[in-house]
Amino acid sequence: EDQVTQSPEALRLQEGESSSLNCSYTVSGLRGLFWYRQDPGKGPEFLFTLYSAGEEKEKERLKATLTKKESFLHITAPKPEDSATYLCAAMTTDSWGKLQFGAGTQVVVTP
Amino acid sequence: SAVISQKPSRDICQRGTSLTIQCQVDSQVTMMFWYRQQPGQSLTLIATANQGSEATYESGFVIDKFPISRPNLTFSTLTVSNMSPEDSSIYLCSTTTSGAQETQYFGPGTRLLVL
Repeated sequence: EDQVTQSPEALRLQEGESSSLNCSYTVSGLRGLFWYRQDPGKGPEFLFTLYSAGEEKEKERLKATLTKKESFLHITAPKPEDSATYLCAAMTTDSWGKLQFGAGTQVVVTP
Repeated sequence: SAVISQKPSRDICQRGTSLTIQCQVDSQVTMMFWYRQQPGQSLTLIATANQGSEATYESGFVIDKFPISRPNLTFSTLTVSNMSPEDSSIYLCSTTTSGAQETQYFGPGTRLLVL
């Protein structure tokens, strides 16, 4: 059975304190691994799609990496505005367009 | 990119009634998806809506409870029928764009509370 697991469930950081979020996946065939940011009361905001092991993508203070079993979202020198829930999701090769989401990591960055 | 809007943004409904949620995309898209996000939970796919064909439902979701329409390439509706408090959730529609990079965009969601 396909499964996407995120850890930790919650993360509290001081402003400037870098950290990483983990997304491990067990799927029949990975087409793409997606990362989203979700603010309270809003829909998920797309961040990255990763396709193959070794791939890395960056956007401002965020960098996503992918291995054959997991993905990491690195937050470098976070600011309070980076506080959000970060979701990862897997799209498999036999289910184009369908995303299976992890439970999310709630990140709080304090000044 | 795709910009998605939903109506209503939120509603409070009585049990036993039905609510239809509208989803509008600013460009023509082949596939649209409906997700549910229960309180404190992540997103779960309800169904895939293709224009010109019946919606395809995921395990645990049935057409009688969540009928879907897809009349054209920019619009879809999801109806939550015979509601109970367990249906209180955020309902989100989304679509996927393909090309050099696949991106799936989400609408802002419809927050539903059933009393």
